[in-house]
This record gives sequence, C-alpha cells and structure tokens, in this order.
Amino acid sequence: QKEVEQNSGPLSVPEGAIASLNCTYSDRGSQSFFWYRQYSGKSPELIMFIYSNGDKEDGRFTAQLNKASQYVSLLIRDSQPSDSATYLCAVIAGSARQLTFGSGTQLTVLP
Amino acid sequence: ETGVTQSPTHLIKTRGQQVTLRCSSQSGHNTVSWYQQALGQGPQFIFQYYREEENGRGNFPPRFSGLQFPNYSSELNVNALELDDSALYLCASSIGGPGTQPQHFGDGTRLSIL
Repeated sequence: QKEVEQNSGPLSVPEGAIASLNCTYSDRGSQSFFWYRQYSGKSPELIMFIYSNGDKEDGRFTAQLNKASQYVSLLIRDSQPSDSATYLCAVIAGSARQLTFGSGTQLTVLP
Repeated sequence: ETGVTQSPTHLIKTRGQQVTLRCSSQSGHNTVSWYQQALGQGPQFIFQYYREEENGRGNFPPRFSGLQFPNYSSELNVNALELDDSALYLCASSIGGPGTQPQHFGDGTRLSIL
C-alpha cells in the first residue's frame, strides 16, 4: 500500500463548478497535511495546509481533514480554467518528518 | 516568490558523468529537502538536512549525496549518472525544524541524461 494515495484522474469539471480532490494516507501518526498545485513544467506551489480535523477555508479553496478515516480532501469552488493543473497531496511522515507525496490528480477546468 | 532559488534550470549530461545541483534558501531556513520527480509522478524524497546535518534519507543509492552550508545554501551531487536519473530535481526549504513548518519549493532543475 502506498503511503499517500490519490486518484490520478484526469478530473474534468466545467467552469464555475466545484472540484473535489481526495487523498488517503496510511500513517496514523501523520499530523500535518498539505496540498500543492503544480502547473505543467513548473514546480509545486503550496496552496493549503491543515493540521486539525475539520475544514479550513482560504478564498475559493477548502481543505478537509478526517484523521479517523485517514482522509484529506481539497475543494475548489467556482473553478476557473486557470485552476487546471496537477494537485499533489502531501503528508509529513517518516523518521525525518519529510513530505511524502501522492502521485497527484490532474484537474482540467473546461471553459 | 518562495525565496528558494535553484541552479541551473536545465542540464544535459551523459551516462557515467557526475553532476552538482545547487539551491539557495532564505535566511533562517534551517531545513532543506531534495526531491526527485519523474514525469507523471509525485516528488520522491531523496534526503533532508537540518542545520547542516543529514537527518533523513529516502530510498536512493549512495551515489546521491548532499551538503548544506551555513549560508542556507545546499547542493545535491549525483555520481555515475544513469538514464533513469533523468527527472526534475526539486529543493524545498522551511524555517524551524523538520516537519514543523510548510516547505516551499524552488523552480527545480531539469536533468536529462543521454
């Protein structure tokens, strides 16, 4: 079992819709969770982080964490074509407390 | 602007050669990590440095080595390059100790092995 799993997609949503991206993780001891956005040919950009169970909102983005279910999600409201990118879920895991990434979900927002 | 600068942007090498990739972080960024990202995959952890000491390593052979310097710069060295080493190499840094603060990435170095 991979430490961090994401649906690889691709996921397509129409402009203005809500995009829902999901991630599960295997290490019950993980305390910190991150979402990075990566445009094609670019490096990952941090867009959200969450440490506590529940929801955390920042503009059009909402991160949701459920530690009991070992599940973290990212909602993007009013999706825009500029949101088209690969979204990487990452958790702090391992003895070095390093970032451990999923393989990413490719999102396409259709005009 | 993340305050993390990597050089060079692109690099082409041949099998068996050696390469050094460089990263410069903001003052106070005591933790620096290096990742390898193959096409279509998530970044894979290579190793991490905290206050100039290696404090963790992923599943990479010893020909991958690194250093962190007192001026918050670091480098990744790869010896005996193989075709599979072709990838985007990413440096990420953060203030504080490992795992205590979010890490921010540089723009990466794209390494191609011929």
